[in-house]
Amino acid sequence: KAGVTQTPRYLIKTRGQQVTLSCSPISGHRSVSWYQQTPGQGLQFLFEYFSETQRNKGNFPGRFSGRQFSNSRSEMNVSTLELGDSALYLCASSSRGRSAFFGQGTRLTVV
Amino acid sequence: GIQVEQSPPDLILQEGANSTLRCNFSDSVNNLQWFHQNPWGQLINLFYIPSGTKQNGRLSATTVATERYSLLYISSSQTTDSGVYFCAVEREGGTSYGKLTFGQGTILTVHP
Repeated sequence: KAGVTQTPRYLIKTRGQQVTLSCSPISGHRSVSWYQQTPGQGLQFLFEYFSETQRNKGNFPGRFSGRQFSNSRSEMNVSTLELGDSALYLCASSSRGRSAFFGQGTRLTVV
Repeated sequence: GIQVEQSPPDLILQEGANSTLRCNFSDSVNNLQWFHQNPWGQLINLFYIPSGTKQNGRLSATTVATERYSLLYISSSQTTDSGVYFCAVEREGGTSYGKLTFGQGTILTVHP
């Protein structure tokens, strides 16, 4: 069974631009969650989607958004990028509230 | 929200030594996982253990849910065990869908 796949692996963007990250969950997993990891704040929850519905959202500004498609693939978007958005973005999928499995992450650098 | 505290923050060992990492949490949970973050950033699942004891090779874990703590044991450590270990929990209750709250991690360094 293929694991969680995140694309792209690395991104460099300029302040003010927007970015879209993609996550393909493990086959059969309907829940997809996103996390941001920075040296200062650690791992923080962004949002969770299940069957195309956002069920939970972390404490991030509205510039951070996401969606989930009918095949459970998910995307997150960050608009008007700021230097502080530089981080490792991790996606996880899970089935029926059990173990979450993480992808390799997308490392975003904002210059 | 739920608080997760890991200790110690840093741990330095010689190869072959044993270690215990601790995770305290402030509320009832229905999910607790231990992860090892590899040098490339990926979180590798070690245990899904909201309660009880599990073992996998040189690693084992115990969660005492009633006392709100979990322990990760690493025996006969190897240099490849080096990295950051995270405990993450999902608080019990209907508003915590898919939300894992992570501790700050324990940085383990194993010297040959």
